[in-house]
Amino acid sequence: QKEVEQNSGPLSVPEGAIASLNCTYSDRGSQSFFWYRQYSGKSPELIMFIYSNGDKEDGRFTAQLNKASQYVSLLIRDSQPSDSATYLCAVSGAGSYQLTFGKGTKLSVIP
Amino acid sequence: DVKVTQSSRYLVKRTGEKVFLECVQDMDHENMFWYRQDPGLGLRLIYFSYDVKMKEKGDIPEGYSVSREKKERFSLILESASTNQTSMYLCASSIRGSDGYTFGSGTRLTVV
Repeated sequence: QKEVEQNSGPLSVPEGAIASLNCTYSDRGSQSFFWYRQYSGKSPELIMFIYSNGDKEDGRFTAQLNKASQYVSLLIRDSQPSDSATYLCAVSGAGSYQLTFGKGTKLSVIP
Repeated sequence: DVKVTQSSRYLVKRTGEKVFLECVQDMDHENMFWYRQDPGLGLRLIYFSYDVKMKEKGDIPEGYSVSREKKERFSLILESASTNQTSMYLCASSIRGSDGYTFGSGTRLTVV
């Protein structure tokens, strides 16, 4: 059974701080990694994806992947109240149709 | 941008009714998925389809069926709605798993 684990939170950070969201996965053959943001009552929205070990930056967001440790993280710099949402980590194996989702971490950015 | 459209944003149905949830995508994606999302349980896969007329059971298919007669449309059917099927239902589509999903806006179904 493939598993993706996230701390459910809530994670509270002050406005302007760095928010760090973490995710571990069980399937060593996983190859594609995604972060989705979900506002309350809305559907998930893809914000980052990463395929290779290391860091990938997009604006205030940085995804980090360490396949040896089976660990992926999302850093949000200069956090804003509008970043308050649940962040879902998702993982896909080689040739797989499907993503396996974590249950999400709720982030609250305090003004 | 890929658009995934779910026909209803909110739906209230009575116990025992047959319920149809419709999902249409406009980018010729091969793969389509139906999930339900409940607090504390995360996203749970009900059914998915990787081609027209093809369907595969997900983790929680009991009480549900699906139909994919055309590539762009994937329908979820609740054969006899029950109160424990009250949930947020999310449709998604993708070219490949490695490309991630695009989700529809969701249907919040309440069964009374």
